Amino acid sequence: DIQMTQSPSSLSASVGDRVTITCRASQSISSHLNWYQQKPGKAPKLLIYAASSLQSGVPSRFSGSGSGTDFTLTISSLQPEDFATYYCQQSYSPPLTFGGGTKVDIK
Amino acid sequence: EVQLLESGGGLVQPGGSLRLSCTASGFTFSSYAMSWVRQAPEKGLEWVSTISSGGGSTYYADSVKGRFTISRDNSKNTLYLQMNSLRAEDTAIYNCVKRPYSTLSGPFEYWGQGTLVTVSS
Repeated sequence: DIQMTQSPSSLSASVGDRVTITCRASQSISSHLNWYQQKPGKAPKLLIYAASSLQSGVPSRFSGSGSGTDFTLTISSLQPEDFATYYCQQSYSPPLTFGGGTKVDIK
Repeated sequence: EVQLLESGGGLVQPGGSLRLSCTASGFTFSSYAMSWVRQAPEKGLEWVSTISSGGGSTYYADSVKGRFTISRDNSKNTLYLQMNSLRAEDTAIYNCVKRPYSTLSGPFEYWGQGTLVTVSS
């Protein structure tokens, strides 16, 4: 199975900050990497697919990059509604696996 | 607008069975693969199973293989998950998820709100 490792597991940031979350795969997954946002009590929401493609309706302050084993999710200017938990997920081969999550909270 | 509404969750004893349903609307259900993804309380996300658009191909996580069965009725726009031999570690919110293609590939595009399954005596 492909293991997905996110870092950090949590971070504190202020509105307006630039935030970067990293995700590492245990083997190359090309660009088959997706990012999700989950708020408390809600279902996850797709933000980025295929490593860098922005899902329809997602604000442009979210961006993704990387290929192979190392990937990054960047929020260019953190907004109040962005405080949430973020997950990466590989869709390269089954079993489809998720990272452990990064919780972004208010500093 | 894509809508996915799960039902069928509840409290069940270890070793028991439960069938989850997911009613879809807002898209051509028969054209897309569908998945179940679960989340144990205060834990991360775990893919459970995927079925191709026509139902001919199914995939399972090792943790549920042989105990869970995914199926679909395209005439009713409904996805199912039959869960047998349930264990305490199956306790989770189960989300129905639309995929962007007819097969296994691609992200988990749209998510239902989930239904809670609790396995406890």
